[in-house]
Amino acid sequence: GENVEQHPSTLSVQEGDSAVIKCTYSDSASNYFPWYKQELGKRPQLIIDIRSNVGEKKDQRIAVTLNKTAKHFSLHITETQPEDSAVYFCAASIAFDTGGFKTIFGAGTRLFVKA
Amino acid sequence: DARVTQTPRHKVTEMGQEVTMRCQPILGHNTVFWYRQTMMQGLELLAYFRNRAPLDDSGMPKDRFSAEMPDATLATLKIQPSEPRDSAVYFCASGLARLAIHNEQFFGPGTRLTVL
Repeated sequence: GENVEQHPSTLSVQEGDSAVIKCTYSDSASNYFPWYKQELGKRPQLIIDIRSNVGEKKDQRIAVTLNKTAKHFSLHITETQPEDSAVYFCAASIAFDTGGFKTIFGAGTRLFVKA
Repeated sequence: DARVTQTPRHKVTEMGQEVTMRCQPILGHNTVFWYRQTMMQGLELLAYFRNRAPLDDSGMPKDRFSAEMPDATLATLKIQPSEPRDSAVYFCASGLARLAIHNEQFFGPGTRLTVL
């Protein structure tokens, strides 16, 4: 089955600096890679996603890159702000031809942005 | 603003008791997921349904856990008997799945379960 590894488990940056979180996946059939942000005591919420036919996607200060050959994908946050402090989860998802999909999450990265 | 709802939000129970958690997916969504979140294991997929049919529950301890969708507006996760190691936050998520196309999963607020 699919296995998703996420690094680092904890990341501390100074406000204004960039943060990078990296993930690897094992199943080459995975074709959708969402990233979720979870604030303390809240539910995970989607912040950006990328499909396997795209190498890079950007939305304001966040960007995601995908290397299908190496089975790597990464989240980049630029100009970090204190409100970016949260746990970030990467995930790899497989869609089935008959409909439905299965998503496996990484273990999460706890990001601290120091003011 | 449609949201996934879960009840109860908090549950404290004693070891050996039955626990039932409920989830109402977003109207029109055809896929429902159950996840367990602990500090050590992150977000662990327990089971998921498409059009109310269970597709995969391999992540769920079969001897004590069961998941069902009695109708399109209700998903349940039951633990019987509960054990202290079951203490965690249980999230339900729903999404709209079309053939070979992914869509976003929307998470409920979670049920925080404590088994004493």
